[in-house]
Amino acid sequence: DAKTTQPPSMDCAEGRAANLPCNHSTISGNEYVYWYRQIHSQGPQYIIHGLKNNETNEMASLIITEDRKSSTLILPHATLRDTAVYYCIVRPVSGGYQKVTFGTGTKLQVIP
Amino acid sequence: NAGVTQTPKFQVLKTGQSMTLQCAQDMNHEYMSWYRQDPGMGLRLIHYSVGAGITDQGEVPNGYNVSRSTTEDFPLRLLSAAPSQTSVYFCASSDLTDKQFFGPGTRLTVL
Repeated sequence: DAKTTQPPSMDCAEGRAANLPCNHSTISGNEYVYWYRQIHSQGPQYIIHGLKNNETNEMASLIITEDRKSSTLILPHATLRDTAVYYCIVRPVSGGYQKVTFGTGTKLQVIP
Repeated sequence: NAGVTQTPKFQVLKTGQSMTLQCAQDMNHEYMSWYRQDPGMGLRLIHYSVGAGITDQGEVPNGYNVSRSTTEDFPLRLLSAAPSQTSVYFCASSDLTDKQFFGPGTRLTVL
């Protein structure tokens, strides 16, 4: 099962784009990349996911490299409310979440 | 929809006591799971269920039991609480091919 590597922490100025990288070099062709975030001590919140194409929704954009070995989550205009721990996870297309590993994520601090 | 609800929000137990953490969802999701999160750590999967009557172990199942008698409910039982089980417990639900929804968590302290 593919594992992910993320920087432990990042800072971003309020109003600027936050670019959070994730390495998943052992990802297989039938695994999605998912991003979640956890604000303070709340339950994690789904952000976005993708298989091989770039994706965008109302919260963020997901850029996946052509070889699928890494991805970047982009928060286009970071606000103080985006301060959170961001988790990049890899999940099989079939088989549910039982093979998912949530690592320690990236702690994003948005600075006024 | 209430989404995923968990009770209680906080609980203090003495070593050796047993208790049940409740989890319910109203989204008719087949897949439900329990995670624990220790300070400064990521989430670790305890048990999961892919439908009523079907459960299986995750990464850290020892000391915990689960059952799934209905689609809506997925309780987690601590058989004999130990200080090592002090943690925050999250319940989640999802469709098998969709995103997970997490509950607000139960903060458990075992003395």
